[in-house]
Amino acid sequence: GNSVTQMEGPVTLSEEAFLTINCTYTATGYPSLFWYVQYPGEGLQLLLKATKADDKGSNKGFEATYRKETTSFHLEKGSVQVSDSAVYFCALSVTQGGSEKLVFGKGTKLTVNP
Amino acid sequence: DGGITQSPKYLFRKEGQNVTLSCEQNLNHDAMYWYRQDPGQGLRLIYYSQIVNDFQKGDIAEGYSVSREKKESFPLTVTSAQKNPTAFYLCASSLRTGRGNTIYFGEGSWLTVV
Repeated sequence: GNSVTQMEGPVTLSEEAFLTINCTYTATGYPSLFWYVQYPGEGLQLLLKATKADDKGSNKGFEATYRKETTSFHLEKGSVQVSDSAVYFCALSVTQGGSEKLVFGKGTKLTVNP
Repeated sequence: DGGITQSPKYLFRKEGQNVTLSCEQNLNHDAMYWYRQDPGQGLRLIYYSQIVNDFQKGDIAEGYSVSREKKESFPLTVTSAQKNPTAFYLCASSLRTGRGNTIYFGEGSWLTVV
């Protein structure tokens, strides 16, 4: 089956610290991989994505590389800001019946302190 | 502006009542989805629709119903048969075909049973 496992939170960092949120997956077939971010009380926003092995997705200083050999898609940022405080979801998508379906991890809450 | 609009943002329901959550998109997307979010459980797929007048059950469809009479609209009804309906509900949409197509989310609707 298809599943996503991401590191449990919460994660608390000081401003300008380095961030890593681990994500591994199992999938039948060849999925696309995503990181979504959810700010308090809001919906999910796409942060970055990668559609094939060794692709690197990047946005707003965040990066993640699609590692097929380790079935991983870890999220990193070199210097976090208070405004990065949110819940981060790793997800994979599979095409079934012509439609994309997302499978999510449980989310990792990040708090960045000034 | 293009996007997904969910309403209402907050909804209170008495036990035994059906309620309907609205979802409208002007992105010209073929596929639409409903997810439920509970604390610590990530997002779970309730129903999805690939085209007008067609929809499929997701992982937790029991106690819910949907319709897709127009491409732009995909309302979700939470029926009295849903045992634990209090949750955050997210509507989403994507282009129907193509690997790695991004799924976009609305702002969500909070449903509370009182």
